Amino acid sequence: KAGVTQTPRYLIKTRGQQVTLSCSPISGHRSVSWYQQTPGQGLQFLFEYFSETQRNKGNFPGRFSGRQFSNSRSEMNVSTLELGDSALYLCASSLDGEQYFGPGTRLTVT
Amino acid sequence: EDQVTQSPEALRLQEGESSSLNCSYTVSGLRGLFWYRQDPGKGPEFLFTLYSAGEEKEKERLKATLTKKESFLHITAPKPEDSATYLCAVQAGNTDKLIFGTGTRLQVFP
Repeated sequence: KAGVTQTPRYLIKTRGQQVTLSCSPISGHRSVSWYQQTPGQGLQFLFEYFSETQRNKGNFPGRFSGRQFSNSRSEMNVSTLELGDSALYLCASSLDGEQYFGPGTRLTVT
Repeated sequence: EDQVTQSPEALRLQEGESSSLNCSYTVSGLRGLFWYRQDPGKGPEFLFTLYSAGEEKEKERLKATLTKKESFLHITAPKPEDSATYLCAVQAGNTDKLIFGTGTRLQVFP
């Protein structure tokens, strides 16, 4: 069974730009969650989607948004990028609560 | 506030030297406690889920246990390939959101 896939794997953006990251969950998984991982803060929850509805949201500014499509694929968007947004962005999919992570997208903001 | 604390932050072991990693948690309505392994630059790899106090699970050289306040990840006769960061996370309420600890960085030397 194919795992969670994320695209792109690496991204370099400039301050003020926006970015869209994509996540394809494991087949049959309807829940998708996003996390930000930085050396200083560790893994922090961004948001969770289930059946195209945002079910939970972490403590991040409104510049961070996401959505889920009818095939369970998900995207997250960050607008007006700041240097502090540089991080590994991880997507996880779940069928029954057990979350399986993708390889992540490494975002560097210069 | 829900919280997860892992100790030690870093652990250096000789190959074959058994040890334990600790994860203490404060959460209302625990649904599950998760252990992940993360290699540098990669997404967390799922290891175990524990649901109730007294539960134990094993996988190769790893054994996870759970009490009402903490979990232990026991590593028996570790090998260099066990070197990684081990992350503990809890899940509560009716969402899949995970609250992570900051991890234990394990190094096993031959």
